[in-house]
Amino acid sequence: DVVMTQTPVSLSVSLGGQTSISCRSSQSLVHSDGNTYLYWYLQKPGQSPQLLIYKVSNRFSGVPDRFSGSGSGTDFTLKISRVEPEDLGVYYCYQGTHYPLTFGSGTKLEIK
Amino acid sequence: EVQVLESGGGLVQPGNSLKLSCATSGFTFSTAWMYWYRQFPEKRLEWVARIKAKSNNYATDYTESVKGRFTISRDDSKSSIYLQMNNLKEEDTAIYYCAWRYYSGDYWGQGVMVTVSS
Repeated sequence: DVVMTQTPVSLSVSLGGQTSISCRSSQSLVHSDGNTYLYWYLQKPGQSPQLLIYKVSNRFSGVPDRFSGSGSGTDFTLKISRVEPEDLGVYYCYQGTHYPLTFGSGTKLEIK
Repeated sequence: EVQVLESGGGLVQPGNSLKLSCATSGFTFSTAWMYWYRQFPEKRLEWVARIKAKSNNYATDYTESVKGRFTISRDDSKSSIYLQMNNLKEEDTAIYYCAWRYYSGDYWGQGVMVTVSS
């Protein structure tokens, strides 16, 4: 199984500040079709996970441009700029390239 | 507007069965690939099962821990999918989410709680 390693486990950011989350996979996420199926989700308290970024760097519909994704192969990063109160929650990375599909263990974002 | 709504959760004893349903609207269900995920009490997320569309022969796939016990199915006439869970174990206790995944995104339901306990 592909292991998704997220760091840090938690972070605290000031409003208006910037931060990043790392996600590393135990094997390349490049699919045979040439796409890299790496996704980022935010789970707000009491809600289901909501998609932020699909295929490494594409923002999902309605996601503000404060969120950006980058990376390739096995190393990926989610950056959040101009942090706002509604950004708090747990962020997960997820790979859709290899079965079984797997998630990272999550990064909890707190607002200072 | 896309809607995904799970139902059928509850408290069940180990070894018993439960069937979850997921009703959808707002997209072309017949060509959709549909998924079940779950989130354990410690917040860990896990993919459970996937079913492809008719054009892909309704192919299914499962995470190893549920193979032989869980069955994913769909009814295109009702825009719904199901998860038949047999021989439930305490470690199946989780919130179960239904999701529609497509080329450029996905939509998840709000989830349904399944508790397996004696």
